[in-house]
Amino acid sequence: EPEVTQTPSHQVTQMGQEVILRCVPISNHLYFYWYRQILGQKVEFLVSFYNNEISEKSEIFDDQFSVERPDGSNFTLKIRSTKLEDSAMYFCASTRGNREAFFGQGTRLTVV
Amino acid sequence: QKEVEQNSGPLSVPEGAIASLNCTYSDRGSQSFFWYRQYSGKSPELIMSIYSNGDKEDGRFTAQLNKASQYVSLLIRDSQPSDSATYLCAVSGSNYQLIWGAGTKLIIKP
Repeated sequence: EPEVTQTPSHQVTQMGQEVILRCVPISNHLYFYWYRQILGQKVEFLVSFYNNEISEKSEIFDDQFSVERPDGSNFTLKIRSTKLEDSAMYFCASTRGNREAFFGQGTRLTVV
Repeated sequence: QKEVEQNSGPLSVPEGAIASLNCTYSDRGSQSFFWYRQYSGKSPELIMSIYSNGDKEDGRFTAQLNKASQYVSLLIRDSQPSDSATYLCAVSGSNYQLIWGAGTKLIIKP
C-alpha cells in the first residue's frame, strides 16, 4: 500500500541553525501539506502546495519557512534559523484533492 | 477564523461498550469531514471520512454528519483497549488543508 515517507524521524539542532525536513508523498497525489504539532497541543496547518507552488499558508508559515519540490518525488520543508519554539512534530501529508489525506510518520524536531 | 471544537476528555468507556465522540465546526460551507486516531508520539491515522448528511459505517466505526447543526460524530461499537487513543476531528478547508480539533482522549477500561 502506498504511503507517505518522512526523513529523518528525529532531528536535534542548535538554535539558529537551518534544518530541512524531507517527505516523499504518495506518487499519484496532487496536493502536499506540512503540519506541525507542538507537544500536548493540536495539529496546526502550515502550508499547502499544488502545481509546484504554495496554494495556501498559515500565519505560522513566516519568512523563516520555505517549501520546495526539487524533483518529481521529494517535498521539503526548510526552516532557515530555528528557534526553541520550533520544537515540534512535523507531519507531511498528501491527497488527491477533496479526499482523504494520508500522513507520514513525522519528524520530531528538537531545537536546543 | 474557521474552528473545530471537541471535548478534550478524557472519555472513559468500559470494554465492549459504545464510545461516542463529538465535534462541531464553524464554517457552514465545509464539505469534507474526517476522523483520525492518534496514538501518543505517532502521526494521525485516518479512521473515517464523511461527505454527506447521515451515517456512514465501516466495521465497528460509524460516522454521523449533520450539516444543518454543523455537527460530526464518531461511534465506536464493541470498544477494545486498543481503541484507547486521541481522536481528532478534522474539516477540509479551501485548498483541502485540514482544520483540526484539539482531540478527545478516549480510554477503554478492561
